[in-house]
Amino acid sequence: LAKTTQPISMDSYEGQEVNITCSHNNIATNDYITWYQQFPSQGPRFIIQGYKTKVTNEVASLFIPADRKSSTLSLPRVSLSDTAVYYCLVGDLGETGRRALTFGSGTRLQVQP
Amino acid sequence: EPEVTQTPSHQVTQMGQEVILRCVPISNHLYFYWYRQILGQKVEFLVSFYNNEISEKSEIFDDQFSVERPDGSNFTLKIRSTKLEDSAMYFCARAQDRAGYEQYFGPGTRLTVT
Repeated sequence: LAKTTQPISMDSYEGQEVNITCSHNNIATNDYITWYQQFPSQGPRFIIQGYKTKVTNEVASLFIPADRKSSTLSLPRVSLSDTAVYYCLVGDLGETGRRALTFGSGTRLQVQP
Repeated sequence: EPEVTQTPSHQVTQMGQEVILRCVPISNHLYFYWYRQILGQKVEFLVSFYNNEISEKSEIFDDQFSVERPDGSNFTLKIRSTKLEDSAMYFCARAQDRAGYEQYFGPGTRLTVT
């Protein structure tokens, strides 16, 4: 699995847009990029996944440049309830290969009023 | 998408005792996983289960651990002889498809070994 690097923590205020960037220089051709969110004492929650360019859903947007060596999770107009740890995962879970998710330390986002 | 339910929400046990953690998938999916998270640490993969057998397991998943789906519905994780270091949150997850990029986690069981 490609190694990922993301900031340990970020601070924001309510109503702001938050962008969390993840570096994955060794991403392989078949790898997908997936982001999860985790609140304290809860299980991780799938946010978004992508392969290239831009993906948007009702929760977030994921921007992936052409070289795919990084990705940016964008949270529009955050609220206090977006305070959580955000994980960037990169991997090829493949046809017959592993399907386990490997979580790093994530980025702890603190949203203040 | 609905997730899974897990029971109990919190279990306290003494060192050396056996514990069984239960996971009940709300929908009929084939791919299941167990993860654990020691307080303040990363979420760690334990084991994946597909078509009623183990698909993959991590180094953590040693002989003290076992999984099964005894009645085709509940998915259980058994720890035969608990150790203090087994204290953690244990999460069950399910995946909709084989690739498993999207996994849906349960609320977890907090296991405290004293």
